[in-house]
Amino acid sequence: AAGVIQSPRHLIKEKRETATLKCYPIPRHDTVYWYQQGPGQDPQFLISFYEKMQSDKGSIPDRFSAQQFSDYHSELNMSSLELGDSALYFCASSYRVIAGTEAFFGQGTRLTVV
Amino acid sequence: GIQVEQSPPDLILQEGANSTLRCNFSDSVNNLQWFHQNPWGQLINLFYIPSGTKQNGRLSATTVATERYSLLYISSSQTTDSGVYFCAVEQSSSASKIIFGSGTRLSIRP
Repeated sequence: AAGVIQSPRHLIKEKRETATLKCYPIPRHDTVYWYQQGPGQDPQFLISFYEKMQSDKGSIPDRFSAQQFSDYHSELNMSSLELGDSALYFCASSYRVIAGTEAFFGQGTRLTVV
Repeated sequence: GIQVEQSPPDLILQEGANSTLRCNFSDSVNNLQWFHQNPWGQLINLFYIPSGTKQNGRLSATTVATERYSLLYISSSQTTDSGVYFCAVEQSSSASKIIFGSGTRLSIRP
């Protein structure tokens, strides 16, 4: 079965650089979520999209932005990277026919800022 | 926002032992899921269980939505069960935000 695809799997950037993470949801899924997981921490909600519109927002820094495109893939753009942005970034998708559906997570992008 | 608390935070067991992990949440939810995060960081879906009881092999889960808690049972533990177990909920009043608990780190010794 198709799963959530994230790219790249690993990314190394220098401070103050920009990074773009991509997420391809499971086909027919209409909701995408982004999470940040620091070492030893639980995943923290960043932002979500439903039918290409921003749906909810969490602790996402102003330096980060995200969007969902017409083909439902989503991108998380991170500018002016800081050492503290080093983390595992997850994307998840679900099919929101009614509120409350099972979400599936990608394998994550491990971002290291040096 | 909703609070999700998991206990215990850490658990060390011998292979073959049974365990119960608990998740308490502070408000009504549409959705509750249990995940296993393996040592490579991958989040694996275990159960989607907003209410009721489900079983899958050596694992089972029960959610009592009216009392705002869920339990994950692991029987006959194997070393491959090691990792972090997360409970994650979607609050009824915020249907596009899934909030994770702080997790239970399980270590199974051979």
